[in-house]
Amino acid sequence: GQQVMQIPQYQHVQEGEDFTTYCNSSTTLSNIQWYKQRPGGHPVFLIQLVKSGEVKKQKRLTFQFGEAKKNSSLHITATQTTDVGTYFCAAYSSASKIIFGSGTRLSIRP
Amino acid sequence: DAGITQSPRHKVTETGTPVTLRCHQTENHRYMYWYRQDPGHGLRLIHYSYGVKDTDKGEVSDGYSVSRSKTEDFLLTLESATSSQTSVYFCAISGGGDQPQHFGDGTRLSIL
Repeated sequence: GQQVMQIPQYQHVQEGEDFTTYCNSSTTLSNIQWYKQRPGGHPVFLIQLVKSGEVKKQKRLTFQFGEAKKNSSLHITATQTTDVGTYFCAAYSSASKIIFGSGTRLSIRP
Repeated sequence: DAGITQSPRHKVTETGTPVTLRCHQTENHRYMYWYRQDPGHGLRLIHYSYGVKDTDKGEVSDGYSVSRSKTEDFLLTLESATSSQTSVYFCAISGGGDQPQHFGDGTRLSIL
């Protein structure tokens, strides 16, 4: 079945450094979604990408969808302590079933 | 946050006992989902529903059953709980099959 691979599993950065997490699929995706989960919290939807090569920005966060629609990335510029959490990508494998990547846990040294 | 309530929020029970978790929504969304979250595995889909009395299996459905008798409620039942089912369980809702999902606060279930 369809799998969504996400790397790295963990990332520990100094506050102010950049952070990137990558999501890869062996099959073409119709869309991809990104979620953030704070420690002890629940996943919260961030954004959805649909078009080939699409780039969207939310303040310091930049989301990209690959040209072949098989990969995606989330880049955070100049991390802050509020960025701590686990970031998940997710893609629909069929009409209603969503597959989540295993997540990238971001921790930050103040 | 979307109107999703999970109950109970925490539960400790013994192996072999039945357990039912409830998800209640006030958004009138068609789709409802149950996930479990374990370290190193991210979120794994257990079952989902695409309408009243319409449900389907996810990737880790063994040992779980669900029911949806009305739009607002989606129940997850562990008929005979095992220690491997110790996990955090999240309910989610969405308005369409490929739309963003909104999650409840989760239920932390411990089976001893």
